[in-house]
Amino acid sequence: GAVVSQHPSWVICKSGTSVKIECRSLDFQATTMFWYRQFPKQSLMLMATSNEGSKATYEQGVEKDKFLINHASLTLSTLTVTSAHPEDSSFYICSAKSGKNSNQPQHFGDGTRLSIL
Amino acid sequence: SQKIEQNSEALNIQEGKTATLTCNYTNYSPAYLQWYRQDPGRGPVFLLLIRENEKEKRKERLKVTFDTTLKQSLFHITASQPADSATYLCALTNSGYALNFGKGTSLLVTP
Repeated sequence: GAVVSQHPSWVICKSGTSVKIECRSLDFQATTMFWYRQFPKQSLMLMATSNEGSKATYEQGVEKDKFLINHASLTLSTLTVTSAHPEDSSFYICSAKSGKNSNQPQHFGDGTRLSIL
Repeated sequence: SQKIEQNSEALNIQEGKTATLTCNYTNYSPAYLQWYRQDPGRGPVFLLLIRENEKEKRKERLKVTFDTTLKQSLFHITASQPADSATYLCALTNSGYALNFGKGTSLLVTP
């Protein structure tokens, strides 16, 4: 149980393109979803937290107009990287959790490798 | 500032031995701590959660300890196998839901 599906798994596109990444919880309702970015040999860095039906909360230094997050349902959140540039190339990972208890584990998708040429 | 520090160097051990990974933290008062496994090109997979009032927790060949005085958690894999080779991440939260992760320790178990 607790499967999170992330799509696409990898994207290569030209600079200036907008890229949408989907994150779905397949067998549970995700009250909260998280988006992380991970550079090679670095830790996962939290970008934003989103709750279904409300605006995402972005971490300091993350541009909300560049990284658009939509959490329209309890099973789907999307991250759109607008006008992507080479410096946006990274490994983007989503996670989801159910319930209100903060001590419950997060369930992660398998990530999206984004390469901007 | 808040820090989560894990062994930066890769840990190489022989199959059958016990692997011990360390996680130290500063400027956190976590109610609990979590360990995840991450394989190359994949998302992290949850392994264990230990609460501040728990000294030790076990799951099959895994054991985690949590010392809030030392601000340290130790993660042990007994009877290690080549399939245990991966990066292991320590994670904790100051409050709320958001997890902060260490850089992880890469474990290589050789036959």
